[in-house]
Amino acid sequence: QKEVEQDPGPLSVPEGAIVSLNCTYSNSAFQYFMWYRQYSRKGPELLMYTYSSGNKEDGRFTAQVDKSSKYISLFIRDSQPSDSATYLCAMSAGSGTYKYIFGTGTRLKVLA
Amino acid sequence: DAGVTQSPTHLIKTRGQHVTLRCSPISGHKSVSWYQQVLGQGPQFIFQYYEKEERGRGNFPDRFSARQFPNYSSELNVNALLLGDSALYLCASSLGLARTDTQYFGPGTRLTVL
Repeated sequence: QKEVEQDPGPLSVPEGAIVSLNCTYSNSAFQYFMWYRQYSRKGPELLMYTYSSGNKEDGRFTAQVDKSSKYISLFIRDSQPSDSATYLCAMSAGSGTYKYIFGTGTRLKVLA
Repeated sequence: DAGVTQSPTHLIKTRGQHVTLRCSPISGHKSVSWYQQVLGQGPQFIFQYYEKEERGRGNFPDRFSARQFPNYSSELNVNALLLGDSALYLCASSLGLARTDTQYFGPGTRLTVL
C-alpha cells in the first residue's frame, strides 16, 4: 500500500464549477500537508500549506485536513480554464529529514 | 526575486554515461532537496542537503550522489545511467530544516536516457 493515494483522474469540469481534489494517507505521523499545482513540463508550484487538522482558505482555494480519517482535500471555487493542470498533494512528518511524500497527482481540465 | 533555478533544462544521454545536474536555491535558502519525477507519477525524494551536509536520502541506488556548495547551490550526479533514469529531476529549496519551512521547486531538468 502506498503511503499517499491520489486519484489520477483525469477530471473534466465546466468553467465555474467547484472542484474537489482528494488524497488519503496511511502514515499517522504526517503533520504537514501541501498542495502543489504543476503545469505540463513545469516544476510544481506551491498552492496551499496546512498544519494538522482544519481548514485554510486562500482566494478561490480551500484546503481541508481530517487527520482522524487520514484524508485531505483541496477545493477550487469558480474554476477557470487556467486552473487546468495536475494537482499534487504532498505530506511531511516534520521530523527527521523533512522529506515530502507526494501523491501521483490528479489531472484537472476545466472546459471553457 | 529569482526562484529556484536549474540547469540544464533538457539533457539527452546514453546508457552507461554520467550526468551532472545543477541547482541554485532561492536567495537566503540554505536547504536543497532533490526529487525524481517519472512521467505520470508524483516526485520521489532522492536527497536533502543543509549547510553542505546530507540530511536525508531516499531509496535510490549508490549511482546517485549529490553535494552542496558553500553558496548553497547543489549538484546531483548520476553514474552508469539506465533507461529507467529518464525523468524530470526537480530541485527544491527551503529556508532551513524547521517544520514550517516549505519547499519551493524549480522548473526541473528533463533527462532522457537512450
